[in-house]
This record gives sequence, C-alpha cells and structure tokens, in this order.
Amino acid sequence: AQSVTQPDIHITVSEGASLELRCNYSYGATPYLFWYVQSPGQGLQLLLKYFSGDTLVQGIKGFEAEFKRSQSSFNLRKPSVHWSDAAEYFCVGSGGSNYKLTFGKGTLLTVNP
Amino acid sequence: EAQVTQNPRYLITVTGKKLTVTCSQNMNHEYMSWYRQDPGLGLRQIYYSMNVEVTDKGDVPEGYKVSRKEKRNFPLILESPSPNQTSLYFCASSLSGAITGELFFGEGSRLTVL
Repeated sequence: AQSVTQPDIHITVSEGASLELRCNYSYGATPYLFWYVQSPGQGLQLLLKYFSGDTLVQGIKGFEAEFKRSQSSFNLRKPSVHWSDAAEYFCVGSGGSNYKLTFGKGTLLTVNP
Repeated sequence: EAQVTQNPRYLITVTGKKLTVTCSQNMNHEYMSWYRQDPGLGLRQIYYSMNVEVTDKGDVPEGYKVSRKEKRNFPLILESPSPNQTSLYFCASSLSGAITGELFFGEGSRLTVL
C-alpha cells in the first residue's frame, strides 16, 4: 500500500542546533513528496516539494529536504533551528493522483531556549 | 488577502443534530478538499472537489456530505453527527490540484459531538 511514515512522534532540539526530521515512503514509482508545517492553532503551510530532478530541494524558512531513492526517504533538514520553528511537521506523498494526498502522522518539534 | 475561511472555528453539538461547516476561498481555486485531523493519525481526506459540481470521496467519507455549487464555497455537511466525528477539520484549496498546485489551508474547525 502507498504510505508515508514519520518514525518520530516528538523531537526536542535546542535553539541553534541542527535539525533532521525523518520520512520514509512506500510507493511503486517515484512519488510526489511534500513537507508541510502546522504552527500551533494554525492551518498547514507548504515548506517544500519534490517531483523529480535534483534530489536536494530548498524550501521556505531555511528548510531543505533530500530525496533518497535507495533509502525510500525524504528527510527534512535545517542547519540552525529558531524558536519559531516549534510546530508539527507533516511529510506528505502522492503516487501521482492530483486529487489525493497521503499524510504522515506528523512529528512535533519542540525547541528549547 | 488570499485566504481560506472556515466557519465555525469551534462548535459543540449533540448526536444527531445536523450541522454544516462552511469553507470559502477567495483565490479562484478549482480544487478544494476537506480533511480531518485526529491525534496520532495525521490528516485524512474526507472529500475533494476538482471544480464546480464535481466532487469525489476521499479516504474517510462515511457520515459526511459535500456540495460544490459555486467555485468559492465547499461546505461540509454532517447529517447526523456522532461522537466519532469529534475532530479538527481543515478545508484546503489549490489552483489546479493537490500536487500541481500549492494547497492553502484554512485555520481549522474544532468540532465536538456529545
């Protein structure tokens, strides 16, 4: 079955530290992959997306993600976390349907001062 | 300002009392979708609409109805709400689709069914 898995439910980092949020996918062909962020009490906002081509994609707010076919992963990274990055992060995938997305269960990020 | 507006933002109701959650977007988007968010489950798609008068089921459509009579509006109808529909609901829209366009989300509607 097509799926997106986020192994970490909750991650805590210190402000200024680097961040990596994990995402694994299960799709037959190259999937369309996204990272969305949900700040407390808000809707979701698109951080970045991967369709094809360059496997390292840059997004907003200083985030990047790397598509690794050999590991079926699409991990999100940021070199230096800010307190405002505290939020829930969702890895999202599609096998090609322009109408249906599959959301991971989310990773809650806490940033310590 | 470009936005997706949901109402109500918070609602407590009782089992069986019909309710409608409205969703309106001002971006002339063709694609709209409803999701529910439950702890530990992420977001799950309820219904989506590709354009006016064109709707289809998502992954969890049971107990819900939708309509798309105008491009800007996509209401979610719970004909006979039950406690298992207690959830946080999000409406989203996109210019052309879930992957060809960026999804814009509303701020959510928290529904409690007693």
